[in-house]
Formats: sequence, C-alpha cells, structure tokens
Amino acid sequence: QVQLQESGPGLVKPSQTLSLTCTVSGGSISSGGYYWSWIRQHPGKGLEWIGYIYYSGSTYYNPSLKSRVTISVDTSKNQFSLKLSSVTAADTAVYYCARADGVRGVTYFFDYWGQGTLVTVSS
Amino acid sequence: AIQLTQSPSSLSASVGDRVTITCRASQGISSALAWYQQKPGKAPKLLIYDASSLESGVPSRFSGSGSGTDFTLTISSLQPEDFATYYCQQFNNYPPPFTFGPGTKVDIK
Repeated sequence: QVQLQESGPGLVKPSQTLSLTCTVSGGSISSGGYYWSWIRQHPGKGLEWIGYIYYSGSTYYNPSLKSRVTISVDTSKNQFSLKLSSVTAADTAVYYCARADGVRGVTYFFDYWGQGTLVTVSS
Repeated sequence: AIQLTQSPSSLSASVGDRVTITCRASQGISSALAWYQQKPGKAPKLLIYDASSLESGVPSRFSGSGSGTDFTLTISSLQPEDFATYYCQQFNNYPPPFTFGPGTKVDIK
C-alpha cells in the first residue's frame, strides 16, 4: 500500500519561501508512469493543482504559480519537495502531495494522497 | 485552460435517495475525468477514474458516466457515510494539465 506523508513548517512569514517534503513509502518513486504532484486547498475552498515531477526530474507547473514554484525529487530518499517563493497570506492553505497514476487507466488521476498539512503565512 | 463546472453546488438529500452530480468541461476531454469524495479535515478519496471505472474498494453504489464534455456521478442509494463534498478532475494536454471542478456538497436533508 503506497503512503505519502507531507512534512515541513506550518508557519511561514510573508515574502519568505514555503518548503515542504513528501515522503513516499510502500512503493518506489522511481516507478515509471506516475506524476508526483502537489495540490493545495485554501480554507473552505476547492482544490488547486500546483505542479508535478516525474522520477526523471522533468516538471510541469500550473501557469498561475509557475514563476514561484520549484518541485524537486530525491529518488535515493523516495521523496519529492515543493518550494514556493515570495509567499503572501493568499498562499495560506492545506498542501497535499499526491500520486497521479497513468498506468492503470487511459488518463491520469490521483489515487494516493498524503493527509495534508496546513501552512499559514503570517508574520 | 479547460474549465470544469459542477451542478448543483450543493444539495440536501436523505439516506436511501438516488443522487446525481453533473460535471461539465469547457472543451471535450474524451473520458479523462475522475471523481473524488472529500470529508472535512481529510484528503480527497478517488472514487471513479476514466469517467466510469470504479476504484478498487469503492462501493458499487457509486457510478460514473459520460464522455466529451458532460459527465455524471451517481450514488444509487445514499448512505450516512456519503455525506461529503464531491469533486471532478480532468487531465489533458493543455496547460494546466490537471484542473478540478468547484465541488458539490452533499448534506443531510
């Protein structure tokens, strides 16, 4: 059973960089066919896809956040990470890591999710 | 970017009711649609993928249908544990590749 777990600071000051790590267990991040993604949810709102990374290191970011987002992978630790720079209060949200499965079906869908971590941007 | 709309945005229903939620895409997306259930304080849970394929372990009262631009999620007989918010999600080759619908909240009548 694949499990994902987010970790990182729950409080970030405005203008600083939000950094989160997702640790994957029960499966290898180096398995082909999966996009390792970050998704966020503003309080009481819907879901916003932030970006993904493939095990090879190739990335794709949401154009609305592209200038501030960096996603990286460490296959030796079975982890991938998110950095979001120049944060403001508008970046306060629950951040999820998730696996997008492109193996089982004809398209990609998120079959495993972390429990989510609330990041608050405040001085 | 492909936009997803959901209707209704919320509904009230009773245990045993048949519930249908609609998701509409701004452009055709073939069958590249998934449905998720989210309960308060929890991560979303995959219910349906490829528009109509039931995820393993999900009760058979959940079903999905549609292709192109119009999709539906049906709960054949609503159970107490089904009161939640439901999201559709699409994948495509246009940026951004993943988008979610705004959600439909199902609560108790």
